[in-house]
Amino acid sequence: SQQGEEDPQALSIQEGENATMNCSYKTSINNLQWYRQNSGRGLVHLILIRSNEREKHSGRLRVTLDTSKKSSSLLITASRAADTASYFCATETGANNLFFGTGTRLTVIP
Amino acid sequence: DAGVIQSPRHEVTEMGQEVTLRCKPISGHNSLFWYRQTMMRGLELLIYFNNNVPIDDSGMPEDRFSAKMPNASFSTLKIQPSEPRDSAVYFCASSLALGQPQHFGDGTRLSIL
Repeated sequence: SQQGEEDPQALSIQEGENATMNCSYKTSINNLQWYRQNSGRGLVHLILIRSNEREKHSGRLRVTLDTSKKSSSLLITASRAADTASYFCATETGANNLFFGTGTRLTVIP
Repeated sequence: DAGVIQSPRHEVTEMGQEVTLRCKPISGHNSLFWYRQTMMRGLELLIYFNNNVPIDDSGMPEDRFSAKMPNASFSTLKIQPSEPRDSAVYFCASSLALGQPQHFGDGTRLSIL
C-alpha cells in the first residue's frame, strides 16, 4: 500500500500566488522527499527533509515536516506558469526504497 | 550530464507478444528501480536492485514480469506474454545509494492492444 497521501488532489491558482500541498504518511520515516512531474516526463527530485529536521528551503520552495502528526507540507511561493505539474511526496522508511503518494496536480494560471 | 536513459519511449504491440524495456542508469549510481504508473494505481514500485543484485521484487505483479541487471550500466524489464492490462508508463530510476534521491528516466509508454 502507498505510504504517502497528498492533499489536495488538485489545486488551481493564479500566477504569483502561493501554493501549498500537504502530505500525510503512516509509519516512521528516515526522510521525506518531494518530487515534481511534468506531463509526459519522469519525476524530478526537488527536496529532501530528514526526520530530525523541521523545515527546509530551496529557492521558492519551503518544506516543513511534523513527525508527531506524520505530515509534511510543500509551499511554492510566487508561483509561475512553469510550476504547473504534479507534485509527489515520497517517504523513506528504512526499507531502502521510497513509497510515493498519489500526487497533487497543480495548475498555475498565467 | 546524461540522465537515466530509457528505451523505447513508446511501444505499441499486440497481446501475447514479448515486450522488453531497457534502462541505462546514471554512471556511478548503485541502485536502480523499476516503476509502473497508471491513472488508477498511481506509481507502483515493481523491483529494485542494489549493486546489480535484485533486492525486492515483491511489486512484480505476476510471473509474466521479469527484470535483470547484468551490469552496472544496463537493466531490462521483460513482459512475456503481454496483456492489455499491462498498458502503463514504465519508469526506471537510479540513485547513488538506497534511500537517496532518485533520478527518473522519461519512461516508456506501453500500449498492449
